Amino acid sequence: DTEVTQTPKHLVMGMTNKKSLKCEQHMGHRAMYWYKQKAKKPPELMFVYSYEKLSINESVPSRFSPECPNSSLLNLHLHALQPEDSALYLCASSQVTSGKGTQYFGPGTRLLVL
Amino acid sequence: AQSVTQLDSQVPVFEEAPVELRCNYSSSVSVYLFWYVQYPNQGLQLLLKYLSGSTLVESINGFEAEFNKSQTSFHLRKPSVHISDTAEYFCAVSDSRTGGFKTIFGAGTRLFVKA
Repeated sequence: DTEVTQTPKHLVMGMTNKKSLKCEQHMGHRAMYWYKQKAKKPPELMFVYSYEKLSINESVPSRFSPECPNSSLLNLHLHALQPEDSALYLCASSQVTSGKGTQYFGPGTRLLVL
Repeated sequence: AQSVTQLDSQVPVFEEAPVELRCNYSSSVSVYLFWYVQYPNQGLQLLLKYLSGSTLVESINGFEAEFNKSQTSFHLRKPSVHISDTAEYFCAVSDSRTGGFKTIFGAGTRLFVKA
């Protein structure tokens, strides 16, 4: 199984809503990532978890709150988002192999903030 | 700091013609290089990677890339493209300094294959 799944596929939320994005993998990978991708742009790294601990936070606003409850799951909690946060949110996972780990990406959640 | 430059934002090409997508990187340490492909409304998929060893790496669907350390390049080539190769292609680089987790992506090149 080389699949990373993400739910939901699409999400529309208001600026006062609270929602969560979910990501799951069963490849035994111990590194998991959240990326944000705007249209016609490359993915931008947001967070990295290694062995369920947050190892990289790329100065992401606190309205985005990641959580890694176990080695297979990664959540991104959203609260009080702005319209400019509308984007494709990609989850990825890899082995923890010092930069050599191929990242496996999920299909993404397309988020629209109204 | 690392950076990745993809010199062409769009590359239109006719079906069965050869194509080269250019990628240059900058880094002061040894790097690992990747090409990812993104089809419309999908996530990214690894196309090929260079970690060490042979400088020419190949994918299962006919793409190849050559790591050129002196020119700091990792260009992607295919001798004969298909309509189905139409997609966005991202060159990416990582190294071991940040625990190996920080992959920097280029801006992307949209390959458009015409019939």
